[in-house]
Amino acid sequence: AQKITQTQPGMFVQEKEAVTLDCTYDTSDPSYGLFWYKQPSSGEMIFLIYQGSYDQQNATEGRYSLNFQKARKSANLVISASQLGDSAMYFCAMSTQYNFNKFYFGSGTKLNVKP
Amino acid sequence: GAGVSQSPSNKVTEKGKDVELRCDPISGHTALYWYRQSLGQGLEFLIYFQGNSAPDKSGLPSDRFSAERTGGSVSTLTIQRTQQEDSAVYLCASSWEGTASTDTQYFGPGTRLTVL
Repeated sequence: AQKITQTQPGMFVQEKEAVTLDCTYDTSDPSYGLFWYKQPSSGEMIFLIYQGSYDQQNATEGRYSLNFQKARKSANLVISASQLGDSAMYFCAMSTQYNFNKFYFGSGTKLNVKP
Repeated sequence: GAGVSQSPSNKVTEKGKDVELRCDPISGHTALYWYRQSLGQGLEFLIYFQGNSAPDKSGLPSDRFSAERTGGSVSTLTIQRTQQEDSAVYLCASSWEGTASTDTQYFGPGTRLTVL
């Protein structure tokens, strides 16, 4: 079975500091993709970053980077230099080689950036 | 270009009524997905369309739920005889092909359904 676990229901971070949001996954499929989405209070899911299971390097997109540790089955999102606009729900998701027709989502982490 | 659009943005209905939710995917995307997000929860997969293939309906919670996709583009999710537990945000997503684990899904703004 495929599963995504986000163990931090809520987090606070000071503006301009870095923050790490945790995500662990479970799958027996040999190939998979890991995704992070941001959901502001407006409700839309905004794609942030993608990491493929065979990628040798950790993915980066601007202030977002993904700390991918395959042996530990973790794919943590790192946001550098937090901004007030980063306050939102963050979801980790997974698609797998044999279950590519859907994303498996974690329960999300609510990030609050303090001024 | 234009993103995924959904309508209506909000729908309030009475228990027992039928509702239709519409999704217009990104032009050129052949895969389309519906998810449901209950208050404060993650996303629950409902249904997947890819090209002309038979849809994967494995996530539909009951036979009151159905969906179709006409002409490989616009999709309609229909909920018959709505119940209060159907109240949620219904999110639609599309992807380029949806046939590999590398395909990014792009989401619409969602339809917030409230069943009184």
